[in-house]
Amino acid sequence: DTGVSQDPRHKITKRGQNVTFRCDPISEHNRLYWYRQTLGQGPEFLTYFQNEAQLEKSRLLSDRFSAERPKGSFSTLEIQRTEQGDSAMYLCASSHYSGRPPYEQYFGPGTRLTVT
Amino acid sequence: GQQLNQSPQSMFIQEGEDVSMNCTSSSIFNTWLWYKQDPGEGPVLLIALYKAGELTSNGRLTAQFGITRKDSFLNISASIPSDVGIYFCAGQLTNNNDMRFGAGTRLTVKP
Repeated sequence: DTGVSQDPRHKITKRGQNVTFRCDPISEHNRLYWYRQTLGQGPEFLTYFQNEAQLEKSRLLSDRFSAERPKGSFSTLEIQRTEQGDSAMYLCASSHYSGRPPYEQYFGPGTRLTVT
Repeated sequence: GQQLNQSPQSMFIQEGEDVSMNCTSSSIFNTWLWYKQDPGEGPVLLIALYKAGELTSNGRLTAQFGITRKDSFLNISASIPSDVGIYFCAGQLTNNNDMRFGAGTRLTVKP
């Protein structure tokens, strides 16, 4: 088991450009989560999937953000028309949900986005 | 925004000392978790708590789920230099759904 992986680890883009991040969860995990973390703060929930279904979206997820998990395995997070306020660490986590404990989420290393 | 109040914001201690940090919320959580994050990396799970009053240990770490379900604490005994990092508490309102994080406690250990 290689854990949660994210690609790229770092992305620098100009304001107005589109960016896409990828997350590969732990292989047997059916739930996948996206979080955003800004400097000096804890992660903030954006959205999560169970298999390929997107079950919840935070109000932080503006119309410029879209996430997919087409085959219930890897997921992508796209940000369109990036703004400087989008600069943050984007974290992916996964978990195995069976209706009873444990409920732990395991995080990837994150993608640090810098919008110039 | 953050729903959890985590304190202290930062701690500077000598190697070998014990550390205590806590997290409080105005909301009830069904699950409390503690994570550690190193610079430029994702959070790493330390301890998960599922029952009010539960006390769980992981090596030198001990965490408790408050009886009111609105708080949790984490203790680290006999700190070592590799304990340096940011410790986050997190609560889950419903099982295995989104987590709400505190702002973190930054721990510095002086050798």
